[in-house]
Amino acid sequence: QSALTQPASVSGSPGQSITISCTGTTSDVGGYNFVSWYQQHPGKAPKLMIYDVSNRPSGVSDRFSGSKSGNTASLTISGLQAEDEADYYCSSYTNTISYVFGTGTKVTVL
Amino acid sequence: QVQLQESGPGLVKPSGTLSLTCAVSGGSISSSNWWSWVRQPPGKGLEWIGQIYQSGGTNYNPSLKNRVTISVDKSENQLSLKLSSVTAADTAIYYCARNWGKGFNMWGQGTMVIVSS
Repeated sequence: QSALTQPASVSGSPGQSITISCTGTTSDVGGYNFVSWYQQHPGKAPKLMIYDVSNRPSGVSDRFSGSKSGNTASLTISGLQAEDEADYYCSSYTNTISYVFGTGTKVTVL
Repeated sequence: QVQLQESGPGLVKPSGTLSLTCAVSGGSISSSNWWSWVRQPPGKGLEWIGQIYQSGGTNYNPSLKNRVTISVDKSENQLSLKLSSVTAADTAIYYCARNWGKGFNMWGQGTMVIVSS
C-alpha cells in the first residue's frame, strides 16, 4: 500500500486559515469515512486531532476541522497560531484491514 | 489516565529480531478493543505496523506481515512486537498506540531502535 499524498509544506500568517490535503484512492480515503489527522511536534509523539473525517476528540480546539471529497481529505486550521507549527499526518483505514498514513506536511507559522 | 510505555533493546544486529514491549498503566489493556504499533524512521513519516485485538486477533501491514508478530499478555497488561530479519531500513522510533474507532487516540513516548552491527 502506498502512502497517502500530502503537500510537503504549508505556511500561513497568524490568524489566517490554511488547508492541508490528503489524497488517496478508492481503496482507502475514497472508500471509507475513516480518515484521521495527527499533529506531531518535534521529538514528541503524534496527537489525534480529527477522527472519522470530521470529528474532534474532546480537548482539541475547534479551530481544527476536517472534510472529505472523493479520494481527497482535508484538514483546515483556522485562526493560525504559533503553537500550530508542527508536522501533520493524515491516516486512512484501507480495504486490506490495515491503515496507511500520509507523507506528512510541515506547517510553518510565518 | 491510561499511559503507554515502550521498552526494549535500542540496538539490534542486522538479520536479527527486534523485540519490544508496551506496558499499559493506569487502566486495563482490556479497556480498549484494539492496540497498534506504528514506527517512524528518523526524519521520515509514520508507518502502521499492525494491530492486535484484546483477545489476540491480529492484522498486519501487508508489506511487513511476513516478518511481524504482535501479541498481548493480559496478565502483565502489556503488548509486544517482534520483527524478524531486520535491516537498516527498520531503524526507527517505534510507538505503541491505543486504537479509538479507526484512529489512534493515545500514544506512548516511543522508543528508538537502531539496526547496526
